[in-house]
Amino acid sequence: SAVISQKPSRDICQRGTSLTIQCQVDSQVTMMFWYRQQPGQSLTLIATANQGSEATYESGFVIDKFPISRPNLTFSTLTVSNMSPEDSSIYLCSVNTGTGDYEQYFGPGTRLTVT
Amino acid sequence: AQTVTQSQPEMSVQEAETVTLSCTYDTSESDYYLFWYKQPPSRQMILVIRQEAYKQQNATENRFSVNFQKAAKSFSLKISDSQLGDAAMYFCAFNTGTASKLTFGTGTRLQVTL
Repeated sequence: SAVISQKPSRDICQRGTSLTIQCQVDSQVTMMFWYRQQPGQSLTLIATANQGSEATYESGFVIDKFPISRPNLTFSTLTVSNMSPEDSSIYLCSVNTGTGDYEQYFGPGTRLTVT
Repeated sequence: AQTVTQSQPEMSVQEAETVTLSCTYDTSESDYYLFWYKQPPSRQMILVIRQEAYKQQNATENRFSVNFQKAAKSFSLKISDSQLGDAAMYFCAFNTGTASKLTFGTGTRLQVTL
């Protein structure tokens, strides 16, 4: 398994501003994923972040809105840009440890409210 | 397209009783992996149990077990001896490998009553 932390745990932001969410893992991992969970909904993948390459975005998500950095094998950031109330969600990062297991382990999430 | 369907938005079970949560999925892949995740109010996603599609034997983890019916594309979760701490949202999920995203169902909210 893996221990994952996220910062901040929650934030309230004004529309038009940007927020950067950090995800830190206690071990080196190849694959990191960013998900969005809108209120009362399930999880939807935003993008997959591999170290040393550009993030791969899912349909409906674009780099200008959700830029992602992956500077090393234990850390990633997701920025939510030019926020609107529709961006109010929980944002979760997850990892696959790549040790032959196929499950993903999740961070505690960042609850974002945009006013 | 790969889809996961959970047809029970809410379920309720009495403490110490058994409950089964349903999940069906659709995929054209022959090799894949199925999971049940629990999300309590703390919002932390916790892996409950996993099943490899190539394994015929149903996975078990203590009080949690699955009924995996590959031909029917069904993957239900049975919780035995339910406890108050089992109250949470339960998500069924699916992927096709380590580099593959998880596709989630819409979730089932489980209530545990005294």
